[in-house]
Amino acid sequence: AQSVTQLGSHVSVSEGALVLLRCNYSSSVPPYLFWYVQYPNQGLQLLLKYTTGATLVKGINGFEAEFKKSETSFHLTKPSAHMSDAAEYFCAVSDRDTDKLIFGTGTRLQVFP
Amino acid sequence: DTAVSQTPKYLVTQMGNDKSIKCEQNLGHDTMYWYKQDSKKFLKIMFSYNNKELIINETVPNRFSPKSPDKAHLNLHINSLELGDSAVYFCASSQTPRAYEQYFGPGTRLTVT
Repeated sequence: AQSVTQLGSHVSVSEGALVLLRCNYSSSVPPYLFWYVQYPNQGLQLLLKYTTGATLVKGINGFEAEFKKSETSFHLTKPSAHMSDAAEYFCAVSDRDTDKLIFGTGTRLQVFP
Repeated sequence: DTAVSQTPKYLVTQMGNDKSIKCEQNLGHDTMYWYKQDSKKFLKIMFSYNNKELIINETVPNRFSPKSPDKAHLNLHINSLELGDSAVYFCASSQTPRAYEQYFGPGTRLTVT
């Protein structure tokens, strides 16, 4: 069965610093990959997705992620953190055997002034 | 214009009661989902419907009964509520079961006392 691992349940950065949130998946067949963001007391919002084609994908709010098949990774980055980026971030991977979206356990991003 | 809406946003009730949560999407999607998010933010799929037909039914107590009157609506009825049912319940939709890109509602925070 497909699984996804997010390293680090909490990440803290200073405003203006690089944001790096890690995500690894387990699959021999390249899946579809997603990053979602959840702001406090809100639903999940799609940040970006990888299906096929270019391995570097750009999303909303200046975030991007790179699909690396050899490392089975899909890490999320942003060059310069903003206070408004503070939220919970979820990596998700498609499971084509079950037609489910499998979510990681989430990473809480804190941004300090 | 809200894409996926849920009512109510908050629900506080006592053990043993029966309650319902409603979900509507105006995206024209064929597939809808119910997820449960626990206090540690872990997201677990409960059910999925495609064109009013149940396609995913996870290991969920049979006190939980989904119902899809049409493909734009998916309701969740819970009988004999227990303390462990306290969580945030999210509705989501996708174009098809294999589209994987899901759009989430704002969530319903259920508190059982």
